[in-house]
This record gives sequence, C-alpha cells and structure tokens, in this order.
Amino acid sequence: DAMVIQNPRYQVTQFGKPVTLSCSQTLNHNVMYWYQQKSSQAPKLLFHYYDKDFNNEADTPDNFQSRRPNTSFCFLDIRSPGLGDAAMYLCATSVPGGQGDTQYFGPGTRLTVL
Amino acid sequence: RKEVEQDPGPFNVPEGATVAFNCTYSNSASQSFFWYRQDCRKEPKLLMSVYSSGNEDGRFTAQLNRASQYISLLIRDSKLSDSATYLCVVNLGSGNQFYFGTGTSLTVIP
Repeated sequence: DAMVIQNPRYQVTQFGKPVTLSCSQTLNHNVMYWYQQKSSQAPKLLFHYYDKDFNNEADTPDNFQSRRPNTSFCFLDIRSPGLGDAAMYLCATSVPGGQGDTQYFGPGTRLTVL
Repeated sequence: RKEVEQDPGPFNVPEGATVAFNCTYSNSASQSFFWYRQDCRKEPKLLMSVYSSGNEDGRFTAQLNRASQYISLLIRDSKLSDSATYLCVVNLGSGNQFYFGTGTSLTVIP
C-alpha cells in the first residue's frame, strides 16, 4: 500500500504559469519535506514542516511556496515556473527523534516547463 | 565544504564482483546514517540504516567509522539488478534535516 502519494506523477506547465504539486501520507508522520532533484544531482531540500511549523531553506527561491493544511497533506506551489524549475519534485515524511528516524519518499512529480 | 561527500563514480563492475563505496561527512555531531538506492527517474528507497559500528543485510554490509567520519557500503556478489545510484544520507539527530551526498552510480555488467 502506498504510504506517501504524490499527484500528479507528471506535470507539464508553461513558463510563468502557476502550478501546484500535491503530497499526501498515510503514515501520520510529523515531518513532511519537499525536495527538488535535477538530473544527476542529489535531492535539494526546499523546505519542511514539523507539524504546522514551516522551515524554509535559506536558498529556496521565493517562487516556491508551501502549504500544509493538515497532517496528511502538503502542497508545493510554484508561482511563476521558469525553465530552470524543470525537475523531479520529491515529497518525503519522517518521524523525528534520535537514531533510527528515516525518511519515506513518495514517487515524485516530474515537472516539465515549456 | 559539503556536509556529505561521495565519489560519484561511475563504478562499472562485472556480475559477481564485490564493490565498495565510501561516504564522508563533515559534522562530527551526526547521529543517523543511511544508504538509499535510487533507480533512474524513481524516488530514493531506503537500503540500509547504519547504527553504531555497522550492520549487514544479505549481500550488503554498511559500516560506520566515527573517528574518521565516514560510512561505507559493501556489495558482495553483485547482480545486474544492483545497478542504480546509491545515496549516502546523514542526519544530525537534533533536527529534522537530512543531508544527501550526490550519489554514486553503479552499473553491473553481464
């Protein structure tokens, strides 16, 4: 059974046209993350939520926003996508606390910007 | 300096070979260590968590050396299906941030 679900799996948008990516989880984990991954690169953390507390990475562009209306759902909004925003966007969850906490990833949304 | 560094490879090895990857981390306060496997255009999947000095799971052995601040992954009797990118991930333990290496590419050749 899928534990971290991302929709859509593939998204095509036009330059400058806002897009929203969705993530949901059945794990009831406190922490949810959004990563951007470009070809042959490591996943790059954009931001994460610990419950409702939002934590933005210092180098995440203002173009990227996020919402977490409840424990299960988290959204990534890209307000004005540029060509450089084409990437795989990965959602992940974890339970914090000492050794052994691991991340569970969704299957990703591959974003194409035309 | 990057938090986590890996040799990107690529490593091309014949079936049945033994291959080892190393990963170094910069923060001595790091608490949790992981190896993830990522297939092309797929999400990372947890391969092994690394606790204390290390652990073994079938053909895979992970070791942690805190003094030298590195973790390693050993794959014995390589299979074609082991071809993937292997990501080293480190967590400080006091927060919720996981630091990723750039990954090591492995191709197992028939």
